[in-house]
Amino acid sequence: KAGVTQTPRYLIKTRGQQVTLSCSPISGHRSVSWYQQTPGQGLQFLFEYFSETQRNKGNFPGRFSGRQFSNSRSEMNVSTLELGDSALYLCASSLLQGASDGYTFGSGTRLTVV
Amino acid sequence: DAKTTQPTSMDCAEGRAANLPCNHSTISGNEYVYWYRQIHSQGPQYIIHGLKNNETNEMASLIITEDRKSSTLILPHATLRDTAVYYCIVRADYGGATNKLIFGTGTLLAVQP
Repeated sequence: KAGVTQTPRYLIKTRGQQVTLSCSPISGHRSVSWYQQTPGQGLQFLFEYFSETQRNKGNFPGRFSGRQFSNSRSEMNVSTLELGDSALYLCASSLLQGASDGYTFGSGTRLTVV
Repeated sequence: DAKTTQPTSMDCAEGRAANLPCNHSTISGNEYVYWYRQIHSQGPQYIIHGLKNNETNEMASLIITEDRKSSTLILPHATLRDTAVYYCIVRADYGGATNKLIFGTGTLLAVQP
């Protein structure tokens, strides 16, 4: 079956712009989580959505937001981009909230802010 | 902050067993030990998890000490494709505020030919 699909794969944006990243979970999975990975901070949790509701949020500024649609697809948005937002953004899906058998991650969207 | 401590890097000869240690001395009674790995430029991949008993699946074995303060991930016959960063994570297995995975710095396993 198809895995977690993230689009686009690569993105270059200018400081001050906004960006929207998309994640399509595995069919039937209802939980979607987002993570940011940078060389300096490693993998950090952004937020988790389940049944179109944000269930958990990491320690990121309000410029980072997300949403989940009725088909479980999720988007995350970053407004007023800063150079420090350059990172690999990863999406993970699971069947249930708080998956006990592990999350399936996508390959990520690499965002470069110039 | 991550609740686990792992060596920064390890080497292993191809075909030999790779034993990756993890220290989680502050683990709570309801927290599981999870292992993920991340191959370069890919998303993390779930490997295995356990609570008290040793676990085995098609990818690896997980050995948890009796006091649960440390564990070892074993890849029985390492191949070059197992070269990756391996993350050990402790997490309570229930829904709610602790759903997130807290990744530490992990162990870079380099499998040598």
